[in-house]
Amino acid sequence: NAGVTQTPKFRVLKTGQSMTLLCAQDMNHEYMYWYRQDPGMGLRLIHYSVGEGTTAKGKVPDGYNVSRLKKQNFLLGLESAAPSQTSVYFCASSSGQGGSFEYEQYFGPGTRLTVT
Amino acid sequence: AQSVTQLDSHVSVSEGTPVLLRCNYSSSYSPSLFWYVQHPNKGLQLLLKYTSAATLVKGINGFEAEFKKSETSFHLTKPSAHMSDAAEYFCVVKQAGTALIFGKGTTLSVSS
Repeated sequence: NAGVTQTPKFRVLKTGQSMTLLCAQDMNHEYMYWYRQDPGMGLRLIHYSVGEGTTAKGKVPDGYNVSRLKKQNFLLGLESAAPSQTSVYFCASSSGQGGSFEYEQYFGPGTRLTVT
Repeated sequence: AQSVTQLDSHVSVSEGTPVLLRCNYSSSYSPSLFWYVQHPNKGLQLLLKYTSAATLVKGINGFEAEFKKSETSFHLTKPSAHMSDAAEYFCVVKQAGTALIFGKGTTLSVSS
């Protein structure tokens, strides 16, 4: 049981390049999330998904796209990378979010992205 | 709208002394509150959570937190710090139907 995994662990991009970050979970969780972490800012939600085939915007969605074609995978895409997207990206998953709001989010180890 | 404020960006303690990391929250409804820990170059791990049961919540590694509604606080404490406690700690608030709102983090340093 690997939990939440992220690939790649590190990446350096040039401005304007594109890339996709992959998140996978083996806990059969319905909900998945992408956050970015910047110094002194905590974690901020980019996009999230409440189930296979669904996505929704979080607090800082601009410049990112996501897809959830399979329940276990949540992809984060950068179509045209900018230096402002230099950050550490974390994926998380949880079993639910609705009426019982104490569902714990499980986090992956993070992807460190640098855009030059 | 809900929000969370961690009152100290950096706390330094000596090994064996108590730890206090302060967190205040703002929420229109009864929130769920969490503390997460992040060790250097690692992901986030849940320390403890409050979900409207007992106001004193015990977590892993000897940490505990007390929910005080009148003070809108959820401070994290530990009686005796260990070197391995050095990490960044995040206070998090969640309402039903919304995602997690993270504080900006408190870096805990532990000296021998």
